[in-house]
Amino acid sequence: AQSVTQPDIHITVSEGASLELRCNYSYGATPYLFWYVQSPGQGLQLLLKYFSGDTLVQGIKGFEAEFKRSQSSFNLRKPSVHWSDAAEYFCAVGPWMGGGNKLTFGTGTQLKVEL
Amino acid sequence: EAGVAQSPRYKIIEKRQSVAFWCNPISGHATLYWYQQILGQGPKLLIQFQNNGVVDDSQLPKDRFSAERLKGVDSTLKIQPAKLEDSAVYLCASSLESSWGVGGRDHYEQYFGPGTRLTVT
Repeated sequence: AQSVTQPDIHITVSEGASLELRCNYSYGATPYLFWYVQSPGQGLQLLLKYFSGDTLVQGIKGFEAEFKRSQSSFNLRKPSVHWSDAAEYFCAVGPWMGGGNKLTFGTGTQLKVEL
Repeated sequence: EAGVAQSPRYKIIEKRQSVAFWCNPISGHATLYWYQQILGQGPKLLIQFQNNGVVDDSQLPKDRFSAERLKGVDSTLKIQPAKLEDSAVYLCASSLESSWGVGGRDHYEQYFGPGTRLTVT
């Protein structure tokens, strides 16, 4: 069964500082990986996705993520955080090849940005 | 392009009552998903429709939850009777397709609505 672990429940960074959010996955084959952001009272917005190819993927809002197969990781990074980045971030794995489009989400990391 | 619409946005009910949530996906999206997001957890898929057929309902508590998508467009999720542990945000999402290889991988992308926050007292 596929699973996702986000080891950091809460992270606080200062505005302008760099950010890295960790994500580890368990999947039997080549995973499809996603990062979503959820602002208070809002639905989930896709930041970026990895299917294959270049292991460094660029997303919206200046975010990027690097797929490392050897470490089963897909960490999200941003070189300089803005106050508006404060939100909850979810890593997800899926879909299954050959069946459906089920996303399995991690438990999320709450990002707080100090001004 | 209009996004995924959900209503109501908030609902408070007492345990053992019934409740229904409505979702209107993005126009043209064949696949519709209902997720349950309990506080402090990531979203969990409850049910997935492809047009008006069910693809996956393995995590739907069928003794109390039901969902339908009769005309392959709008969908309704119902809980009857509600329990305290059903307090959560119910998210609806849609995508163009659900089978990869049909239309390309970008057709997988799921677009989420704002959710319905349910409180059961």
